[in-house]
Amino acid sequence: DVQMTQSPSTLSASVGDRVVITCRASQSINSWLAWYQQKPGRAPKLLIYQASYLESGVPSRFSGSGSGTEFTLTISSLQPDDFATYHCQQYNTYSYTFGQGTKLEI
Amino acid sequence: QVQLQQWGAGLLRPSETLSLTCAVYGGSFSDFYWSWIRQPPGKGLEWIGEIIHSGSTNYNPSLMSRVTISVDTSKNQFSLKLNSLTAADTAVYYCARGRMARYWGQGTLVTVSS
Repeated sequence: DVQMTQSPSTLSASVGDRVVITCRASQSINSWLAWYQQKPGRAPKLLIYQASYLESGVPSRFSGSGSGTEFTLTISSLQPDDFATYHCQQYNTYSYTFGQGTKLEI
Repeated sequence: QVQLQQWGAGLLRPSETLSLTCAVYGGSFSDFYWSWIRQPPGKGLEWIGEIIHSGSTNYNPSLMSRVTISVDTSKNQFSLKLNSLTAADTAVYYCARGRMARYWGQGTLVTVSS
């Protein structure tokens, strides 16, 4: 399996901050990476696919970059609604593995 | 608007079989892979497997010996069976569309306990 390692596991930030979450793959996954946002008791929500494509309806303060084994999710200016857990997922190679999640808290 | 609605038993005993079904409303059923994903309480997401309308499947190797995913194209539904349950299978189970999941079901908490 491709191992996905997210960092940090927990991130403390404030409204207006710029934050960066990193996801590293144990082998190249090209650009087949997605980012999800999850709030307690809810299903994940797709934010970014194919590493850098913004899902329809997702605010432009979210952006993704990277290819191969290193990827980042950037939130340019944190809003109160952004405090949640973020997951990366590779869908290049079976089985499609997720990172362990990054909890973004105040 | 695509919607996924899932159902199934939420409390099972060790060694029993989990059975969940997901119905798809809206959009094309035949153009996509359909997935099952689970999340143990307080933990990360785990991909279980996927199926396409032809019935072709791919499974997580760690679960392959216990998992069956099936499809009913006449009803736009797909199903998950996981046998020989243990407490480690306690999780919220989600159905979803695609390999990168754009649409998700509401989730079903399955608790395995004696």
